[in-house]
Amino acid sequence: QSALTQPASVTGSPGQSITLSCTASTEHVFTYNLISWYRHHPGKVPKLLIYDVTKRPSGLSDRFSGSKSGNAAFLTISGLQADDEAVYYCSSYTRSTLVFGGGTTLTVL
Amino acid sequence: EVYILESGGVLVQPGGSLRLSCAASGFTFGNYAMSWVRQAPGKGLEWVSAISGGGSTTYYADSVKGRFTISRDNSNNTVFLQMDNLRAADTAVYHCARDGGIVLMERASFEFWGPGTPVTVSS
Repeated sequence: QSALTQPASVTGSPGQSITLSCTASTEHVFTYNLISWYRHHPGKVPKLLIYDVTKRPSGLSDRFSGSKSGNAAFLTISGLQADDEAVYYCSSYTRSTLVFGGGTTLTVL
Repeated sequence: EVYILESGGVLVQPGGSLRLSCAASGFTFGNYAMSWVRQAPGKGLEWVSAISGGGSTTYYADSVKGRFTISRDNSNNTVFLQMDNLRAADTAVYHCARDGGIVLMERASFEFWGPGTPVTVSS
């Protein structure tokens, strides 16, 4: 049982905005606000989308944004594209370790 | 350009040992913490271990603590993962990834990843 829980799957339509959630089992999991999000296409390496809860790596599209409220973190993807179909993982640093959520499969129909 | 490449993954029997290597280039190696992240077949990502840029601080997931040892050679831009007492549950593709800071708790995010090396633990 991961300390971070993500919905197993979500579905969106092209052009739509969608928000993925990542819920911590306890408050301390998000103590340091070192929350990241990754997009993972099968057969490729994960791509960093968000770090430090809200920051985007240099050059990344502003279609991706991160936020946090209490024990939950969120990734919002606006203007959904076919290429956004992938597995999305959240992660958090806590107590000298790092945990990943179980991943959410995003399907774009 | 940042380049990361893992090697050393093979088929090994339960209880056996294995040493993975990760060669990196394109950045000042000693300025960044490095991590190992694995993905078992059909499963999600699991962080395994990390080491600070200078090599003095190491971090481990509970699932590997006491069995795996991470180290680095900054003169050769290489990170190692010594895996002992291997179990079937350790079967996975092992990725090496560069952290955003010099210690894990500075950024704890991975912008650059290697393609991974497969480890199979089976009799």
